[in-house]
Amino acid sequence: ELQLVETGGGLIQPGGSLRLSCAVSGFTVSSHYMSWVRQAPGKGLEWVSIIYSGGNTYYADSVKARFTISRDNSKNTLNLQMNSLRAEDTAVYYCTSHGVGVSRYFHHWGLGTLVTVSA
Amino acid sequence: SYVLTQPPSVSVAPGKTARVTCGGNNIGDVSVHWYQQKPGQAPVLVVYDDTDRPSGIPERFSGSNSGNTATLTISRVEAGDEADYYCQVWHSSSDHWVFGGGTKLTVL
Repeated sequence: ELQLVETGGGLIQPGGSLRLSCAVSGFTVSSHYMSWVRQAPGKGLEWVSIIYSGGNTYYADSVKARFTISRDNSKNTLNLQMNSLRAEDTAVYYCTSHGVGVSRYFHHWGLGTLVTVSA
Repeated sequence: SYVLTQPPSVSVAPGKTARVTCGGNNIGDVSVHWYQQKPGQAPVLVVYDDTDRPSGIPERFSGSNSGNTATLTISRVEAGDEADYYCQVWHSSSDHWVFGGGTKLTVL
C-alpha cells in the first residue's frame, strides 16, 4: 500500500532549524519526483521544493538558500532541512509524490506535519 | 512569476453543476491539475493533465482548458463535494510549481 508519513514538525523559535522527514512505503523515492508543499493556517497551498528522480533540486524563491531537500535511498525517505526559520514559514508541510514518469502534478500526499515558528 | 487566478467562492445547489475557473496567461498551452481539500484533510488530486481522472475519482469530475481559462466542472453536485479546490500548473521557464489561490465550493 502506498503511504507517505511526515514527521519532525513542532514549535521552533525564529532563526532556528528543523528537519522534516517523510517515510515512504509502496514505491521507491528515487524513482519518482518528490516534493514538499506547505499550507499556512487558513491559507492556500504553496509549493516549497522538488527533488527529481535524477537528483536535481529546485526551490520556491521564499525558501531558497534556507531550505534543503534530500532523500535517503537506504531508508526510502524524503527530507527537508529548514534553517533560519521565520514566522512566515509557519504551516502544515505535506510530503508529496508525483505521478509516474515525467509528471507535472502531485499525485499522492501525506497527512502533513505542522511547523510553528514563534518566540 | 506565473499567476493563477481563482474565484474565492462558488455556490451551487445539490444536483446542479458547479464550475470552478482558473485563469492564467495562455494557460491553454500548459497542463492544468486540480485538487480537492476538505477541512482538516490533505489535498486529493481529482483531475490531472487538463482532463484525466485518477482512479477512484467519480466521472462527475471533469476538466477543460483553453485560451486563458481552465475549468473544473462538477456535475450532479453532492453535499460531500463541499471543499476547497485548487488548480496547479508547472511553470517551465522557472521550473517552479504554481497553485491558484483556491476556491471554496459551498453546496447550498
